[in-house]
Amino acid sequence: AQSVSQHNHHVILSEAASLELGCNYSYGGTVNLFWYVQYPGQHLQLLLKYFSGDPLVKGIKGFEAEFIKSKFSFNLRKPSVQWSDTAEYFCAVKGHTDKLIFGTGTRLQVFP
Amino acid sequence: DAGVIQSPRHEVTEMGQEVTLRCKPISGHNSLFWYRQTMMRGLELLIYFNNNVPIDDSGMPEDRFSAKMPNASFSTLKIQPSEPRDSAVYFCASSTGSHLLLNSPLHFGNGTRLTVT
Repeated sequence: AQSVSQHNHHVILSEAASLELGCNYSYGGTVNLFWYVQYPGQHLQLLLKYFSGDPLVKGIKGFEAEFIKSKFSFNLRKPSVQWSDTAEYFCAVKGHTDKLIFGTGTRLQVFP
Repeated sequence: DAGVIQSPRHEVTEMGQEVTLRCKPISGHNSLFWYRQTMMRGLELLIYFNNNVPIDDSGMPEDRFSAKMPNASFSTLKIQPSEPRDSAVYFCASSTGSHLLLNSPLHFGNGTRLTVT
């Protein structure tokens, strides 16, 4: 069965700091990987996705994620965060079915 | 494109009452998902449908929960009787996903915030 773990539950940063949010998944076959973001009071939106090809995926708002198959990881990164990046971030994995399994989320707070 | 539409946005009810949450997926999407979001457990998949057929309901917590999708444009999640521990935000999402289109992302509704007192 698929599962996703996000190591950091709550991250606090100052503006311009670099960000890396960890995500590890458990699944033996080919996976599709996603990062979703939920801004305060809003619904979840897709940030970026990996299906195949280049393991370094670029998303919206300067975010990127790297798929490292040997480590079963898909960490999210941004070189310089902004106050507007304050949100909750969810990593998700989909295997051979349509079932998308989410991690428990990481709450990011960015202070000016 | 109106997106996924959920109603109501907020629901406050007393323990023991029946609660019905509604969802209208994006037109043309053939997969629909119900998720529950809580502080403790994050986002949990409750059930998902493909072409109106329930595919996996293993996430439904207990028999008090039921979900239906009578047609391609409407789904309900019902809790009867409701309990305080059911308090959460319930999200509906849809996608064009199928076994042939594994790479389709989910589009989420705004959620229904349920409070059971």
